[in-house]
Amino acid sequence: AQTVTQSQPEMSVQEAETVTLSCTYDTSESNYYLFWYKQPPSRQMILVIRQEAYKQQNATENRFSVNFQKAAKSFSLKISDSQLGDTAMYFCAFIPSGAGSYQLTFGKGTKLSVIP
Amino acid sequence: EAQVTQNPRYLITVTGKKLTVTCSQNMNHEYMSWYRQDPGLGLRQIYYSMNVEVTDKGDVPEGYKVSRKEKRNFPLILESPSPNQTSLYFCASSLVTGQEKLFFGSGTQLSVL
Repeated sequence: AQTVTQSQPEMSVQEAETVTLSCTYDTSESNYYLFWYKQPPSRQMILVIRQEAYKQQNATENRFSVNFQKAAKSFSLKISDSQLGDTAMYFCAFIPSGAGSYQLTFGKGTKLSVIP
Repeated sequence: EAQVTQNPRYLITVTGKKLTVTCSQNMNHEYMSWYRQDPGLGLRQIYYSMNVEVTDKGDVPEGYKVSRKEKRNFPLILESPSPNQTSLYFCASSLVTGQEKLFFGSGTQLSVL
């Protein structure tokens, strides 16, 4: 079974600053997908970024980027130029890429507060 | 508009009274899934479905049933709800396998008294 660990239950950052959210995972799979989802106070779940494990290049989406370290099983999310709208719960998630296993595992989440 | 529609948004019920939470998607997605969200526990997968009549258990299936009779619908059934099933529930869908972007419904806050 896969596990996903987010070691920071809560974090805060000043507006316009940079913050990094950590995520580690445990798996015996060699190929898989990793995700970061954002849940603002509206409780809607929004995909922030998706990474394919076989791709060495770190995924980026505007101010959001990841640091994917496959050997260390680490998948941290960096938010640059933090904005008030980034205040949300952030969830890291994992799913194997092999056929026959489509169970998605989420971490417990990190609550991020952006301070004006 | 591409969306996952989940109903109701809020539900209060009593122990033992059967209920169904509906989920429907209009994107012709093959993969659909249910999650429960509890404070400090994140999201945990209850069941998922790869296509019509194909379902499988997630991490926390006990006390829940699902069915996938049509591609667009994936209802969650609680035959005999108990207070420990009080939670925020999400339905989600993706194109094929769940390895693509998940589209989430707006959630159902369930309270079982």
